[in-house]
Amino acid sequence: EDQVTQSPEALRLQEGESSSLNCSYTVSGLRGLFWYRQDPGKGPEFLFTLYSAGEEKEKERLKATLTKKESFLHITAPKPEDSATYLCAVHTFSGGYNKLIFGAGTRLAVHP
Amino acid sequence: SAVISQKPSRDICQRGTSLTIQCQVDSQVTMMFWYRQQPGQSLTLIATANQGSEATYESGFVIDKFPISRPNLTFSTLTVSNMSPEDSSIYLCSVDLIGADEQFFGPGTRLTVL
Repeated sequence: EDQVTQSPEALRLQEGESSSLNCSYTVSGLRGLFWYRQDPGKGPEFLFTLYSAGEEKEKERLKATLTKKESFLHITAPKPEDSATYLCAVHTFSGGYNKLIFGAGTRLAVHP
Repeated sequence: SAVISQKPSRDICQRGTSLTIQCQVDSQVTMMFWYRQQPGQSLTLIATANQGSEATYESGFVIDKFPISRPNLTFSTLTVSNMSPEDSSIYLCSVDLIGADEQFFGPGTRLTVL
Protein backbone atom coordinates (compact mmCIF):
# COMPACT_ATOMS: atom_id res chain seq x y z
CA GLU A 1 0.00 0.00 0.00
CA ASP A 2 1.25 3.47 -0.89
CA GLN A 3 2.20 5.44 2.20
CA VAL A 4 3.76 8.79 3.12
CA THR A 5 5.06 9.50 6.63
CA GLN A 6 6.27 12.88 7.86
CA SER A 7 8.31 13.62 10.96
CA PRO A 8 8.30 15.29 13.35
CA GLU A 9 4.58 16.04 13.74
CA ALA A 10 5.46 19.41 15.26
CA LEU A 11 8.65 21.41 15.52
CA ARG A 12 9.39 24.51 17.52
CA LEU A 13 12.46 26.55 16.56
CA GLN A 14 14.04 29.76 17.67
CA GLU A 15 14.54 32.34 14.95
CA GLY A 16 17.81 31.51 13.19
CA GLU A 17 17.90 27.90 14.40
CA SER A 18 18.24 25.69 11.30
CA SER A 19 16.58 22.27 11.09
CA SER A 20 15.19 19.63 8.73
CA LEU A 21 11.80 18.05 8.16
CA ASN A 22 11.56 14.46 6.95
CA CYS A 23 9.20 12.76 4.51
CA SER A 24 9.57 9.02 3.98
CA TYR A 25 7.53 7.14 1.41
CA THR A 26 6.70 3.72 0.03
CA VAL A 27 4.91 3.93 -3.28
CA SER A 28 4.76 2.07 -6.55
CA GLY A 29 5.23 4.07 -9.70
CA LEU A 30 6.58 7.31 -8.19
CA ARG A 31 6.25 10.16 -10.66
CA GLY A 32 7.47 12.91 -8.35
CA LEU A 33 7.46 14.28 -4.83
CA PHE A 34 5.96 17.63 -3.91
CA TRP A 35 6.37 19.94 -0.95
CA TYR A 36 3.60 22.36 0.00
CA ARG A 37 3.23 25.01 2.67
CA GLN A 38 -0.16 25.51 4.32
CA ASP A 39 -1.08 28.48 6.47
CA PRO A 40 -4.07 28.26 8.82
CA GLY A 41 -7.38 28.67 6.99
CA LYS A 42 -5.79 28.52 3.53
CA GLY A 43 -5.19 25.99 0.81
CA PRO A 44 -1.74 24.43 0.33
CA GLU A 45 0.79 26.58 -1.52
CA PHE A 46 3.13 24.76 -3.90
CA LEU A 47 6.86 24.93 -3.04
CA PHE A 48 8.90 22.27 -4.89
CA THR A 49 8.75 19.25 -7.16
CA LEU A 50 11.50 16.61 -7.04
CA TYR A 51 11.69 13.81 -9.57
CA SER A 52 14.82 11.72 -8.99
CA ALA A 53 17.20 10.69 -6.24
CA GLY A 54 19.96 13.24 -5.74
CA GLU A 55 17.87 16.15 -6.96
CA GLU A 56 17.82 19.37 -4.92
CA LYS A 57 15.68 22.50 -5.17
CA GLU A 58 16.08 25.79 -3.28
CA LYS A 59 13.85 28.75 -2.57
CA GLU A 60 14.94 31.46 -0.14
CA ARG A 61 15.59 29.72 3.21
CA LEU A 62 14.21 26.36 2.05
CA LYS A 63 16.03 23.51 0.34
CA ALA A 64 14.41 20.22 -0.62
CA THR A 65 16.35 17.03 -1.30
CA LEU A 66 15.31 13.56 -2.46
CA THR A 67 16.63 10.02 -2.00
CA LYS A 68 15.06 6.76 -3.11
CA LYS A 69 13.08 6.42 0.12
CA GLU A 70 12.77 9.89 1.62
CA SER A 71 12.90 13.61 1.16
CA PHE A 72 14.14 16.35 3.44
CA LEU A 73 13.08 19.96 3.67
CA HIS A 74 15.94 21.93 5.17
CA ILE A 75 15.16 25.30 6.71
CA THR A 76 18.16 27.58 7.14
CA ALA A 77 18.04 30.46 9.63
CA PRO A 78 14.23 30.43 9.81
CA LYS A 79 12.14 33.51 10.53
CA PRO A 80 8.75 33.72 12.29
CA GLU A 81 7.04 34.09 8.90
CA ASP A 82 8.19 30.56 8.04
CA SER A 83 5.74 29.26 10.65
CA ALA A 84 3.23 27.02 8.85
CA THR A 85 2.37 23.39 8.23
CA TYR A 86 4.62 21.76 5.63
CA LEU A 87 3.06 18.98 3.62
CA CYS A 88 4.80 16.34 1.56
CA ALA A 89 2.94 14.50 -1.22
CA VAL A 90 3.95 11.78 -3.65
CA HIS A 91 2.66 11.76 -7.19
CA THR A 92 1.72 8.31 -8.41
CA PHE A 93 -0.01 6.81 -11.39
CA SER A 94 -2.58 4.38 -10.09
CA GLY A 95 -5.74 2.91 -11.56
CA GLY A 96 -5.17 4.68 -14.85
CA TYR A 97 -4.83 8.22 -13.57
CA ASN A 98 -2.56 10.53 -11.61
CA LYS A 99 -3.09 11.06 -7.91
CA LEU A 100 -1.36 12.68 -4.94
CA ILE A 101 -0.92 10.96 -1.60
CA PHE A 102 -0.25 13.37 1.25
CA GLY A 103 1.60 12.92 4.50
CA ALA A 104 0.11 14.22 7.74
CA GLY A 105 2.36 17.28 7.72
CA THR A 106 4.83 18.94 10.08
CA ARG A 107 3.60 21.97 12.04
CA LEU A 108 6.50 24.39 12.29
CA ALA A 109 6.53 27.26 14.78
CA VAL A 110 9.42 29.74 14.66
CA HIS A 111 9.69 32.04 17.64
CA PRO A 112 11.59 35.34 17.74
CA SER B 1 0.18 28.84 -11.83
CA ALA B 2 -3.59 29.47 -11.89
CA VAL B 3 -6.11 31.48 -9.94
CA ILE B 4 -8.58 29.10 -8.29
CA SER B 5 -11.66 30.32 -6.46
CA GLN B 6 -14.12 28.44 -4.31
CA LYS B 7 -17.59 29.38 -3.15
CA PRO B 8 -18.65 29.57 -0.41
CA SER B 9 -15.51 30.19 1.63
CA ARG B 10 -17.29 28.91 4.71
CA ASP B 11 -20.73 27.80 5.83
CA ILE B 12 -22.57 26.52 8.86
CA CYS B 13 -25.24 23.97 8.00
CA GLN B 14 -27.86 21.92 9.78
CA ARG B 15 -27.73 18.16 10.00
CA GLY B 16 -29.57 16.43 7.14
CA THR B 17 -29.17 19.25 4.62
CA SER B 18 -26.89 19.42 1.55
CA LEU B 19 -24.32 21.97 0.45
CA THR B 20 -22.88 22.50 -3.02
CA ILE B 21 -19.35 23.90 -3.28
CA GLN B 22 -18.18 25.53 -6.50
CA CYS B 23 -14.66 25.60 -7.89
CA GLN B 24 -13.68 27.95 -10.73
CA VAL B 25 -10.23 28.20 -12.34
CA ASP B 26 -9.08 30.97 -14.65
CA SER B 27 -7.40 28.74 -17.22
CA GLN B 28 -8.05 25.43 -18.87
CA VAL B 29 -6.80 22.49 -16.88
CA THR B 30 -6.45 18.80 -17.52
CA MET B 31 -7.72 17.44 -14.23
CA MET B 32 -9.71 18.76 -11.28
CA PHE B 33 -9.72 17.09 -7.88
CA TRP B 34 -11.66 17.36 -4.62
CA TYR B 35 -10.02 16.80 -1.23
CA ARG B 36 -11.22 16.75 2.35
CA GLN B 37 -9.12 17.98 5.26
CA GLN B 38 -10.60 17.07 8.61
CA PRO B 39 -9.61 19.16 11.65
CA GLY B 40 -5.93 18.76 12.46
CA GLN B 41 -5.38 16.22 9.68
CA SER B 42 -3.88 16.10 6.23
CA LEU B 43 -5.59 16.01 2.86
CA THR B 44 -7.57 13.01 1.66
CA LEU B 45 -8.57 12.71 -1.98
CA ILE B 46 -12.33 12.33 -2.41
CA ALA B 47 -12.53 12.05 -6.19
CA THR B 48 -11.21 13.14 -9.55
CA ALA B 49 -13.70 15.28 -11.46
CA ASN B 50 -13.79 14.17 -15.10
CA GLN B 51 -15.15 16.48 -17.75
CA GLY B 52 -18.22 15.07 -19.43
CA SER B 53 -18.26 11.81 -17.48
CA GLU B 54 -18.78 10.47 -13.99
CA ALA B 55 -16.20 11.33 -11.35
CA THR B 56 -13.71 8.72 -10.18
CA TYR B 57 -14.11 8.16 -6.43
CA GLU B 58 -11.50 6.98 -3.95
CA SER B 59 -12.10 4.13 -1.56
CA GLY B 60 -14.47 5.19 1.20
CA PHE B 61 -16.23 7.89 -0.82
CA VAL B 62 -19.42 7.31 -2.84
CA ILE B 63 -21.34 9.27 -5.42
CA ASP B 64 -24.58 9.35 -3.42
CA LYS B 65 -22.85 11.18 -0.58
CA PHE B 66 -20.50 13.37 -2.67
CA PRO B 67 -21.99 13.96 -6.13
CA ILE B 68 -19.60 15.85 -8.39
CA SER B 69 -20.15 17.67 -11.64
CA ARG B 70 -17.68 19.07 -14.17
CA PRO B 71 -19.57 20.60 -17.07
CA ASN B 72 -16.50 22.22 -18.69
CA LEU B 73 -12.71 22.51 -18.42
CA THR B 74 -12.69 25.30 -15.82
CA PHE B 75 -15.57 24.58 -13.42
CA SER B 76 -16.59 21.84 -11.02
CA THR B 77 -18.99 21.38 -8.10
CA LEU B 78 -18.94 19.07 -5.10
CA THR B 79 -22.13 18.45 -3.13
CA VAL B 80 -22.01 17.16 0.42
CA SER B 81 -25.34 15.39 0.87
CA ASN B 82 -27.40 14.57 3.96
CA MET B 83 -24.77 16.13 6.18
CA SER B 84 -23.83 15.04 9.68
CA PRO B 85 -21.39 16.65 12.15
CA GLU B 86 -18.74 14.17 10.94
CA ASP B 87 -18.75 16.00 7.60
CA SER B 88 -17.35 19.14 9.25
CA SER B 89 -14.11 19.69 7.36
CA ILE B 90 -12.30 21.90 4.93
CA TYR B 91 -13.08 20.92 1.33
CA LEU B 92 -10.42 21.80 -1.21
CA CYS B 93 -10.44 21.89 -4.97
CA SER B 94 -7.18 21.38 -6.88
CA VAL B 95 -6.17 21.38 -10.52
CA ASP B 96 -3.50 19.94 -12.80
CA LEU B 97 -2.38 22.59 -15.26
CA ILE B 98 -1.69 21.60 -18.84
CA GLY B 99 2.02 20.77 -19.09
CA ALA B 100 2.64 20.77 -15.32
CA ASP B 101 2.93 17.91 -12.86
CA GLU B 102 2.15 19.79 -9.67
CA GLN B 103 -1.38 20.41 -8.43
CA PHE B 104 -2.53 23.86 -7.41
CA PHE B 105 -5.11 24.33 -4.70
CA GLY B 106 -8.01 26.63 -4.12
CA PRO B 107 -8.46 28.47 -0.80
CA GLY B 108 -10.84 25.83 0.56
CA THR B 109 -14.38 25.82 1.93
CA ARG B 110 -14.72 25.48 5.70
CA LEU B 111 -17.88 23.54 6.49
CA THR B 112 -19.37 23.21 9.96
CA VAL B 113 -22.36 20.90 10.45
CA LEU B 114 -24.44 21.36 13.59
